[in-house]
Amino acid sequence: EAGVAQSPRYKIIEKRQSVAFWCNPISGHATLYWYQQILGQGPKLLIQFQNNGVVDDSQLPKDRFSAERLKGVDSTLKIQPAKLEDSAVYLCASSSTGSPLHFGNGTRLTVT
Amino acid sequence: SQQGEEDPQALSIQEGENATMNCSYKTSINNLQWYRQNSGRGLVHLILIRSNEREKHSGRLRVTLDTSKKSSSLLITASRAADTASYFCATDAGGSNYKLTFGKGTLLTVNP
Repeated sequence: EAGVAQSPRYKIIEKRQSVAFWCNPISGHATLYWYQQILGQGPKLLIQFQNNGVVDDSQLPKDRFSAERLKGVDSTLKIQPAKLEDSAVYLCASSSTGSPLHFGNGTRLTVT
Repeated sequence: SQQGEEDPQALSIQEGENATMNCSYKTSINNLQWYRQNSGRGLVHLILIRSNEREKHSGRLRVTLDTSKKSSSLLITASRAADTASYFCATDAGGSNYKLTFGKGTLLTVNP
């Protein structure tokens, strides 16, 4: 089966600019996650979708981050405006209900 | 917030030796999972152990779980240079949402 696809692979922006990341999960996976991984740390959940509905966004900084999952398939995560502390790898993952997560290779964001 | 805490933070061994990593967590869990992350890549699921299990094997991997101590260990036997990666434990607290909380990880270096 094809894996989780993410783009772009790398992104460099200046602070206060906006950026968007895209994720295409494994076909048939109802649950989609966005994680933020700061260098040297474990992934931190930002938002979780079940089909196209949000089930957990408690750790999403909603003043600057937004995410949507269109038609319960692809998802985009946006940051506007970006801050220096947003520099991290943004990982998308998907799963069938209760099964292990499948991760994409992530987008490495550098905010200067 | 991080649920699991891995120990040690970094481990360097010679090829052929065994590697043991530990994970402690704070709240009750439904299951605990271990993931591997190669540099610049996404996480890959290794093994899942349920709260009613004490030990599980998969190839060269052996995982133990002690729910009374809220801890787990991952043993990699006869390590290879290709095992060099970061290893993360992740806990599923159960409930209506299937959500994993990751620890900070152990960086394993296997020297040829």
